[in-house]
Amino acid sequence: KAGVTQTPRYLIKTRGQQVTLSCSPISGHRSVSWYQQTPGQGLQFLFEYFSETQRNKGNFPGRFSGRQFSNSRSEMNVSTLELGDSALYLCASSSAGTSGETQYFGPGTRLLVL
Amino acid sequence: KQEVTQIPAALSVPEGENLVLNCSFTDSAIYNLQWFRQDPGKGLTSLLLIQSSQREQTSGRLNASLDKSSGRSTLYIAASQPGDSATYLCAVVTNTGNQFYFGTGTSLTVIP
Repeated sequence: KAGVTQTPRYLIKTRGQQVTLSCSPISGHRSVSWYQQTPGQGLQFLFEYFSETQRNKGNFPGRFSGRQFSNSRSEMNVSTLELGDSALYLCASSSAGTSGETQYFGPGTRLLVL
Repeated sequence: KQEVTQIPAALSVPEGENLVLNCSFTDSAIYNLQWFRQDPGKGLTSLLLIQSSQREQTSGRLNASLDKSSGRSTLYIAASQPGDSATYLCAVVTNTGNQFYFGTGTSLTVIP
């Protein structure tokens, strides 16, 4: 089975721009979660989608948004980019998104905001 | 809010040594705890998942223990190898939602 894939792997943007990141979960998985990883804050939860609905949301401003399509692929959008948005963005998928399941992480998208 | 701390932040050991990584969490109402490995610039690889009702899990040279009442978990690595060099993260899932609260990580270097 193919693992979680994320595109693009690297991205450079300038302040004020917007960006869209994509995540394709493992086939059959319906839950996709997004995380931001920075040296200062570590790994922080952004949001989780299940069957096209946002089910959980972390403590991030409204500039961070996401969606999930009927094939479970998910996109994350960041508008009006700030320097502090530079980070590794990871997505994770699981079958049903229940608390007892292992989540499988993708390789991440590294975003640099200049 | 759940807070997860890992000690030490960095560790350097000679090849062949046994070592212990520590993880502590503030809210004992967890559903499970998971240990991950992250190689530089890469995503996370799950190592061990311990359900809240379990005390330990083992996989090869790795053994993870969980003491929910004291808010602690340890990851024991036996006979360390240079390939074990990576950052190790612990994460907990609370009873109230399906999201991970990650620790700060321990950067491990195994010297040949």
